[in-house]
Amino acid sequence: GENVEQHPSTLSVQEGDSAVIKCTYSDSASNYFPWYKQELGKGPQLIIDIRSNVGEKKDQRIAVTLNKTAKHFSLHITETQPEDSAVYFCAAKREAAGNKLTFGGGTRVLVKP
Amino acid sequence: GAVVSQHPSRVICKSGTSVKIECRSLDFQATTMFWYRQFPKQSLMLMATSNEGSKATYEQGVEKDKFLINHASLTLSTLTVTSAHPEDSSFYICSATRFQSNTDTQYFGPGTRLTVL
Repeated sequence: GENVEQHPSTLSVQEGDSAVIKCTYSDSASNYFPWYKQELGKGPQLIIDIRSNVGEKKDQRIAVTLNKTAKHFSLHITETQPEDSAVYFCAAKREAAGNKLTFGGGTRVLVKP
Repeated sequence: GAVVSQHPSRVICKSGTSVKIECRSLDFQATTMFWYRQFPKQSLMLMATSNEGSKATYEQGVEKDKFLINHASLTLSTLTVTSAHPEDSSFYICSATRFQSNTDTQYFGPGTRLTVL
């Protein structure tokens, strides 16, 4: 089955700096890679996703890059703000009805004002 | 769009009682819903996959007789924790899959905090 590794487990950045979280996956058939943000006591919120037909996707201050050959993908947050502080999860799956996501272990991001 | 709700948001019960948690997709139909549990500072652990009109598929190690899942409609799935014990205390989160434009995207509910005394 799929295995997703996520690094780092914790990340502390100064407000305004960039944050980068990296994930690797094992199943070369995986073609869908979402990122979720989870604030304390809440459910995960989808913030961006990428499918294997593209190498990069951007939405305002967040971007995701995908390297299919190396089987890794990364989340980039620019101009970080205190409200970006949360736990971020990457995930991977083969996109088909009913298929389940495999999650990374999570990265706790702290943005210091 | 793509809103998933859960009810209740938190529940405290006595050991031995049963607790039902509802998961609803509010603005889309979801043929597949998933149930997760999450312990503090850990990742999400998939418990089961719930398909409308059929039996749920449980992950290895999850007792199907203890965690009863019903997916009676395209917008509602329920998880019942039967004969709850303190070790069942956890954060339970559901998700629903929206199929659109030949792609499917998973959206999560806000979670239910279960405390068993």
